[in-house]
Amino acid sequence: GAVVSQHPSRVICKSGTSVKIECRSLDFQATTMFWYRQFPKQSLMLMATSNEGSKATYEQGVEKDKFLINHASLTLSTLTVTSAHPEDSSFYICSARSQGEDTQYFGPGTRLTVL
Amino acid sequence: DQQVKQNSPSLSVQEGRISILNCDYTNSMFDYFLWYKKYPAEGPTFLISISSIKDKNEDGRFTVFLNKSAKHLSLHIVPSQPGDSAVYFCAASAVGGTYKYIFGTGTRLKVLA
Repeated sequence: GAVVSQHPSRVICKSGTSVKIECRSLDFQATTMFWYRQFPKQSLMLMATSNEGSKATYEQGVEKDKFLINHASLTLSTLTVTSAHPEDSSFYICSARSQGEDTQYFGPGTRLTVL
Repeated sequence: DQQVKQNSPSLSVQEGRISILNCDYTNSMFDYFLWYKKYPAEGPTFLISISSIKDKNEDGRFTVFLNKSAKHLSLHIVPSQPGDSAVYFCAASAVGGTYKYIFGTGTRLKVLA
């Protein structure tokens, strides 16, 4: 149980385009989903927290207009990187937790490369 | 300000011996701690957790110890196996908050056959 999937696993796009990453909880209802990014050989940095049906809460320094997060259902959250630039290239990972649970379960990650 | 620190970036251990990974935190509001294992280009895999009301939690080969007064936790893996080679992250969260985690910087464990 507690499986989280992400799609796509890797994406390459041109500078200026937008990219959407999906995060799904496959066997549980995720009341809260989290989006992280990880730079090479660094820790996971939380970008935002999203609760189903409400606006995401962004961490300090994360541009909410650039990283659009939607959590429209209890099993799906999306992260859209708008007008992507090479500095947005990173490994993006989502996680999900169900109500009453403290543990987050992570997706496999999405490698974004912006040319 | 790094609230969760893993001061050893890497650790090498012989197969069959004990691996001890350490983690220190500064925020006294943290009351739930976890260890995750991560391979390159994959998401973290949950290993074990501990709440602040306990000082030890064991699951198979994995044991987590929490010393609240020292704001220190450790993960013991015994016996270590080559398949345990990965990067290990500790994470902490504060109850009553948003359930968000603060991750440490990770320790790369290499188990030598």
